Amino acid sequence: EAGVTQSPTHLIKTRGQQATLRCSPISGHTSVYWYQQALGLGLQFLLWYDEGEERNRGNFPPRFSGRQFPNYSSELNVNALELEDSALYLCASSGYRDRESYEQYFGPGTRLTVT
Amino acid sequence: QQQVKQSPQSLIVQKGGISIINCAYENTAFDYFPWYQQFPGKGPALLIAIRPDVSEKKEGRFTISFNKSAKQFSLHIMDSQPGDSATYFCAARPESYGNKLVFGAGTILRVKS
Repeated sequence: EAGVTQSPTHLIKTRGQQATLRCSPISGHTSVYWYQQALGLGLQFLLWYDEGEERNRGNFPPRFSGRQFPNYSSELNVNALELEDSALYLCASSGYRDRESYEQYFGPGTRLTVT
Repeated sequence: QQQVKQSPQSLIVQKGGISIINCAYENTAFDYFPWYQQFPGKGPALLIAIRPDVSEKKEGRFTISFNKSAKQFSLHIMDSQPGDSATYFCAARPESYGNKLVFGAGTILRVKS
């Protein structure tokens, strides 16, 4: 069974530009989560999508946004990039019919570098 | 504020020894506590998890101990091996916030052969 996939692996952008990161969940999973992992820090929760809707949002400015498509894949958009947005962006997926199907499985991440 | 505090920041253990990583939380009710293992250049991998109605869970060489009254939980790696060298994250799921996870800052484990 294929795991969570993310693309691209690396992304280099200039300050002020927009970045788009993509995630495909494990087959059968309906929930997708985005986390930011800055260098040397833990994972910070960004966004959670389930069944195409945003369910929860972390403490990040509105220029971090995303969406989930009908096939449950997801996209994270970061507008007006700032240097401190440089980080590893991790996507995770889980089943979520109720809180019993909750194990989150992570993809390999997208390394975003803002110069 | 939802917080999980993890210690130590780094840990060096001899091969065959026991690695112990501790986490503590406060101010929030959590109902699920997973541990993740992350190798350089990879995403975190789910290692083992526990619910608060259980005080201990063991899977192979990995054991989680949970103390609900003290709001603390820990990961023990028995017979530590060089292949266990990685960064370990504890996490907790708040009861009232759906399925998001709050992560500790991570522990870099190095097992010396």
